[in-house]
Amino acid sequence: QKEVEQNSGPLSVPEGAIASLNCTYSDRVSQSFFWYRQYSGKSPELIMSIYSNGDKEDGRFTAQLNKASQYVSLLIRDSQPSDSATYLCAVNTGNQFYFGTGTSLTVIP
Amino acid sequence: EAGVAQSPRYKIIEKRQSVAFWCNPISGHATLYWYQQILGQGPKLLIQFQNNGVVDDSQLPKDRFSAERLKGVDSTLKIQPAKLEDSAVYLCASSAPTVSGANVLTFGAGSRLTVL
Repeated sequence: QKEVEQNSGPLSVPEGAIASLNCTYSDRVSQSFFWYRQYSGKSPELIMSIYSNGDKEDGRFTAQLNKASQYVSLLIRDSQPSDSATYLCAVNTGNQFYFGTGTSLTVIP
Repeated sequence: EAGVAQSPRYKIIEKRQSVAFWCNPISGHATLYWYQQILGQGPKLLIQFQNNGVVDDSQLPKDRFSAERLKGVDSTLKIQPAKLEDSAVYLCASSAPTVSGANVLTFGAGSRLTVL
């Protein structure tokens, strides 16, 4: 069973701060990495994907990948109360996807 | 494009009863997944189909769960008989390669099952 590990939190940050979410994975041949946001009572929604080492920025979100360390992170700049949700890290190997348990983020106004 | 369709959205049954969930993936998506998400946990893969063939059902409790995708399009997941621990959200997802070649997973709204 492929392992994807996340700190479950909860993580609380004040509005306007940077939220940092971390994820490690066990399978070195994993090819693609994703962050999903899941609001309470809703299904996961893709917010970021990253495929190569380094940083990828999309608006207030930055994903960082380090394949040598088997580590993926998500930074949320200028955090807003609407960012309060659970963030799921997902790892893709071939056509299979494995998920972490999610990190609960609360942005305090 | 239309998203992944699931029904019913909510179902309440008593233990030992049966239930079925239906999923229609995004048009053209050959790969279809059923995940189980228990409150406070991440999605756990139950079964994965490629067209109408099973790719992975290693975590499907086959004594009570079954799934089919007969024509390679929509799929049904059945639980019979249900246990209390089956209370969860059942998420259907489909995937297809993007222009970069990477597969991206898209979820439906989910079917929330409560077993009393």
